[in-house]
Amino acid sequence: GQQLNQSPQSMFIQEGEDVSMNCTSSSIFNTWLWYKQDPGEGPVLLIALYKAGELTSNGRLTAQFGITRKDSFLNISASIPSDVGIYFCAGTGTGGFKTIFGAGTRLFVKA
Amino acid sequence: NAGVTQTPKFQVLKTGQSMTLQCAQDMNHNSMYWYRQDPGMGLRLIYYSASEGTTDKGEVPNGYNVSRLNKREFSLRLESAAPSQTSVYFCASTVSGTSGETQYFGPGTRLLVL
Repeated sequence: GQQLNQSPQSMFIQEGEDVSMNCTSSSIFNTWLWYKQDPGEGPVLLIALYKAGELTSNGRLTAQFGITRKDSFLNISASIPSDVGIYFCAGTGTGGFKTIFGAGTRLFVKA
Repeated sequence: NAGVTQTPKFQVLKTGQSMTLQCAQDMNHNSMYWYRQDPGMGLRLIYYSASEGTTDKGEVPNGYNVSRLNKREFSLRLESAAPSQTSVYFCASTVSGTSGETQYFGPGTRLLVL
């Protein structure tokens, strides 16, 4: 079945540093989504990407839909302590309704 | 506009007990989903409902049943709970637009099966 490989599994960074994480798959996806999950909460959508090559920003966050449609990355610039959490990538493939999730990247930010 | 709501927030069951997790969305979305989240495994799809009146199995459907009661509500039932079903359960709904699909999540139900 379809799988997403998300890396890194965890990151320990200093406040102010930039962060980059990515997801890859052997399958083609039509949509890439990036979520953040805080402890005890549900995932919250950060950025949605719908076209190959699309580059979208949301404040300090930037994400891109890879041109092969098999990968995506998320960058966070000038990290702050509230960026701490788990970031998930997700993709929706051809044939519609099932969204596949990566295992998540756990981000720790030291003030 | 409350988005996606789930009840209960927490539940403790004994092995063999049954319970129903409730989910409702007020965004008029057609598609709804149930996921479970276990440590280190991300989110895994249990069942989904592409539209009112239809349901389909996801990746891990065994031990669960679902009901799409109407467009707003999608419930998940555990008929005979097992310790392996200890997890956090998330409901989600999806909006499909001209650009593509976007999924929104509820706050989750934390279930412990003893």
